[in-house]
This record gives sequence, structure tokens and C-alpha cells, in this order.
Amino acid sequence: RKEVEQDPGPFNVPEGATVAFNCTYSNSASQSFFWYRQDCRKEPKLLMSVYSSGNEDGRFTAQLNRASQYISLLIRDSKLSDSATYLCATGGGADGLTFGKGTHLIIQP
Amino acid sequence: DGGITQSPKYLFRKEGQNVTLSCEQNLNHDAMYWYRQDPGQGLRLIYYSQIVNDFQKGDIAEGYSVSREKKESFPLTVTSAQKNPTAFYLCASSSRTTNTGELFFGEGSRLTVL
Repeated sequence: RKEVEQDPGPFNVPEGATVAFNCTYSNSASQSFFWYRQDCRKEPKLLMSVYSSGNEDGRFTAQLNRASQYISLLIRDSKLSDSATYLCATGGGADGLTFGKGTHLIIQP
Repeated sequence: DGGITQSPKYLFRKEGQNVTLSCEQNLNHDAMYWYRQDPGQGLRLIYYSQIVNDFQKGDIAEGYSVSREKKESFPLTVTSAQKNPTAFYLCASSSRTTNTGELFFGEGSRLTVL
């Protein structure tokens, strides 16, 4: 059975701090890796893809460790607007993506 | 604008009634998916379809049915056989052409059984 595990949090972080999440996956055949952001009672939206070489987009950095089967997300200089639930997802087959339960992040002023 | 449209956004149903959730996309995507999300839970796959007139069961297909008569449309019926239907239902699509695996989501349909 394919599983994706995340620390549910909540992570309470002061504004301006750096925060990191990890996510582990069980399916070694996974080819695609993503971080999605989900706001309360809204649909998930793609935050960034995760590549073997790592991926950086502004304040966000995602990394993949295939040997240990985990992916990470680093948020620098956190903003109040970063408060959300962050979902890790893996896949690559015809049956779409397998999602973790999400990590709840609260940025405090 | 291209996207995925789900309707209705909110739906109330009495026990024992079937209800159909609509999902339409104009992204020209071949693959479409239905997920269910319960509070504090991740997304669980109900059904998926890679091409028209073909679909496959996901992890929690019992009590649900789908059809894929058109590329753009993938409606989900929640039947009376589904024991705990109250949930947030998300439709998604992806492009087999680009094959990046990324899913695009509709805004969701929130079903409450009274």
C-alpha cells in the first residue's frame, strides 16, 4: 500500500522565521513529487514540484532524498500569509497522486 | 480561462438519497480523478479515468459510481450505499501529454448528509 506520512503539527512559527517540514513516502517507484498548499475549506493548489536536484522558488525550497524516501520543504522569512496546510504528494502512475494528511502551519505576528 | 468547475459547491442530502456531483474541465486533459477529504485527513482516491469510456476504482470506491462519456466531464454519484458520505469532494485532472503528474483541482463540493 502506498503511503505518505507527514507531521500534522500545528507548527506555530513567528513571522520572519524559517520553518521546515519533512514528508516520507513508502512507494520507492514514485516518480513525481509535489508540495501543495491548502487553505481552510479550499482546494489544494500546487506550491512547487520537487526534483532530484532540488527546487527553489523565492522563499521556498524543496528537496528530494530518494535513498531515504523523503522530501522536504523549507520556508524562509515566513509571512502571515504562509499560514495554511501543506500537503506532500507523490505519484507517477496512472492512478494520480498519493497525498499525506498535511502539516498545519500557523505564522504568528 | 481554463480550469475545472465543480458543482454544486454545497449540497445537503437526506439519508438514503443518491446525489451526483458535477465536474467539468476545459483544460483538454485526458485524465480525471475524484478524491474525498475528511476533516484533518488527507485526500483519498475514489475513482479515476485516463480516457473516455474507461475508469478505474481507487482506494475507497465502495458506495460511489462514475461515468466518463465525454473528455470534459467526469460526474460522481454518491449512492445510498455509501455509509459516511459527509465529506469534501475534490475533482482533479492532469495532462498525459506533459506527463508531469501534476494535478489541477476544482474548488470542491461539500456534501452534508442530514
